[in-house]
Amino acid sequence: NAGVTQTPKFRVLKTGQSMTLLCAQDMNHEYMYWYRQDPGMGLRLIHYSVGEGTTAKGEVPDGYNVSRLKKQNFLLGLESAAPSQTSVYFCASSYGERPESDTQYFGPGTRLTVL
Amino acid sequence: AQSVTQLGSHVSVSEGALVLLRCNYSSSVPPYLFWYVQYPNQGLQLLLKYTSAATLVKGINGFEAEFKKSETSFHLTKPSAHMSDAAEYFCAVLEGSGNTGKLIFGQGTTLQVKP
Repeated sequence: NAGVTQTPKFRVLKTGQSMTLLCAQDMNHEYMYWYRQDPGMGLRLIHYSVGEGTTAKGEVPDGYNVSRLKKQNFLLGLESAAPSQTSVYFCASSYGERPESDTQYFGPGTRLTVL
Repeated sequence: AQSVTQLGSHVSVSEGALVLLRCNYSSSVPPYLFWYVQYPNQGLQLLLKYTSAATLVKGINGFEAEFKKSETSFHLTKPSAHMSDAAEYFCAVLEGSGNTGKLIFGQGTTLQVKP
């Protein structure tokens, strides 16, 4: 099993450009999450999904959109990138059978710089 | 609302010394608590979790944590630090009722291990 994979690993954008980050998991997990990690702020939840076709907002959703058309994939979109979105983005997934205690499995991250 | 505070953004210990990383939580419901570790340029992985069973929780790589309700704490310890323990450590608490599996992360503590 590859676990959780993220594409791309690195990306540089100019202000106003758009892009999509792809997260894929091969563990048949129901729940998927997108976080951003900024120095001194830990991880903050952007959006999440509790099953195929569902999405919901997290703590910092503004400027991002997501889609979960297939159970194994969770896409994060930036419609018009801003320098404040420079960050490291992590995707995670979990089984969802006992969400209160499930382990979240993380991808390796995408380092995004917006100039 | 739930929250997590990690005391000390950087902790430095000598190899073989005790590791103590502090985490205090705030929760209006019985908490589910987690410690995750992030090695350089990698995603997070679960060290251990407290799910209302035993208050002393043992995790991977010799780490353990004790849930103390009276102190609202969940400090992470390891009796003897190894060079390979150098990483960033995150404490997290489950948000709300738990049916979404959403986690609230602390700011993180970077552990440096000196030879």
